[in-house]
Amino acid sequence: DQQVKQNSPSLSVQEGRISILNCDYTNSMFDYFLWYKKYPAEGPTFLISISSIKDKNEDGRFTVFLNKSAKHLSLHIVPSQPGDSAVYFCAARADMNRDDKIIFGKGTRLHILP
Amino acid sequence: EPEVTQTPSHQVTQMGQEVILRCVPISNHLYFYWYRQILGQKVEFLVSFYNNEISEKSEIFDDQFSVERPDGSNFTLKIRSTKLEDSAMYFCASKPPGTSHTDTQYFGPGTRLTVL
Repeated sequence: DQQVKQNSPSLSVQEGRISILNCDYTNSMFDYFLWYKKYPAEGPTFLISISSIKDKNEDGRFTVFLNKSAKHLSLHIVPSQPGDSAVYFCAARADMNRDDKIIFGKGTRLHILP
Repeated sequence: EPEVTQTPSHQVTQMGQEVILRCVPISNHLYFYWYRQILGQKVEFLVSFYNNEISEKSEIFDDQFSVERPDGSNFTLKIRSTKLEDSAMYFCASKPPGTSHTDTQYFGPGTRLTVL
């Protein structure tokens, strides 16, 4: 039951260029989306989020875009830096009966190349 | 900066044994969660806990699992009789008090459970 899908298991990007990580979802009840970053031997770290009433949210080098009609969101990192090499999880939450569990995608491993 | 801590970092146990995974959430947080990640798979929700009771649990969280907040600081996950398929990374998370379900959950570093 993959309600949140990250179809690219890995991505390599040159340092200084833009990294674009994609995510699709199937549940139209999702109303809040998050991106988490994970380094080895650490827990997921919250990066950026977006509410379904918006189509863009920007925080420094990170921007998340949401296309509700396509049930698609993306995370843009520009410029990419070596410290951005990590696994990125797309996640979603649905405000049903105050349910606030996070549903994660499988993650995309981002490699920033020197 | 306050953070969620988890102990031990790695737990090895024999199949059928009981294990207790421990978490210390961020001190003023009121919502607590356990997630797990089997190697190569996605992070999966197990259970949420608020006001000293389970708010929601997933299908994974069967009768072999239990959670407890035995004192004001610890939050534990107990697996009564471990199975091989319980081998995974277990993450604790907590969330600050608030009225919005959009408040961020903060994750601990995880406990790697290996069942032999």
